[in-house]
Amino acid sequence: AQSVTQLGSHVSVSEGALVLLRCNYSSSVPPYLFWYVQYPNQGLQLLLKYTSAATLVKGINGFEAEFKKSETSFHLTKPSAHMSDAAEYFCAVSGRTGFQKLVFGTGTRLLVSP
Amino acid sequence: DAGVTQSPTHLIKTRGQQVTLRCSPKSGHDTVSWYQQALGQGPQFIFQYYEEEERQRGNFPDRFSGHQFPNYSSELNVNALLLGDSALYLCASSFRTGWIEDTEAFFGQGTRLTVV
Repeated sequence: AQSVTQLGSHVSVSEGALVLLRCNYSSSVPPYLFWYVQYPNQGLQLLLKYTSAATLVKGINGFEAEFKKSETSFHLTKPSAHMSDAAEYFCAVSGRTGFQKLVFGTGTRLLVSP
Repeated sequence: DAGVTQSPTHLIKTRGQQVTLRCSPKSGHDTVSWYQQALGQGPQFIFQYYEEEERQRGNFPDRFSGHQFPNYSSELNVNALLLGDSALYLCASSFRTGWIEDTEAFFGQGTRLTVV
């Protein structure tokens, strides 16, 4: 069984500050890990994904995440927040072969203040 | 290049009715998955279709059924609607080569279903 836990349902930062969204996973097999962003009344957009090629994964819009097997973590960071980053962020895990499903966390709402 | 398109965007149904939601995958994609996202929650996997067959199913009752057509588009049907079925229904598409899923899932904008 696979699962992810996102710590903090809401994270507030000031514009220009570091963004850190936390995700811990549980998986009995080597996982693929994903971060998705959801803007209000929209679908999910992939920010980045970990597939084992490199532990530090760079995504779109300046986001990156680091896979730490020893900590079972895949935290999302961005050095400097922008107002447009305000959205809901979801961490997800899946297996690597066969017919896989995405298992999502409960999400973290990022609030950016000027 | 059109992405994943879903219709309708919004829908209001009465408890006990049946509903059909539609999804056209991104060009070149052959696998379609459906997710239910309740308000304030993460998406929950309903089922996945490949080669017109249901390949994997999440923990949803038989009231939820689906279909995939030869052109890879898909429908999600929900019978005997309950108030708790109110949610955003998301369709995701991807491409696979045999046993391996070659691309990540691309999501549509979703269909907002309200059951009254």
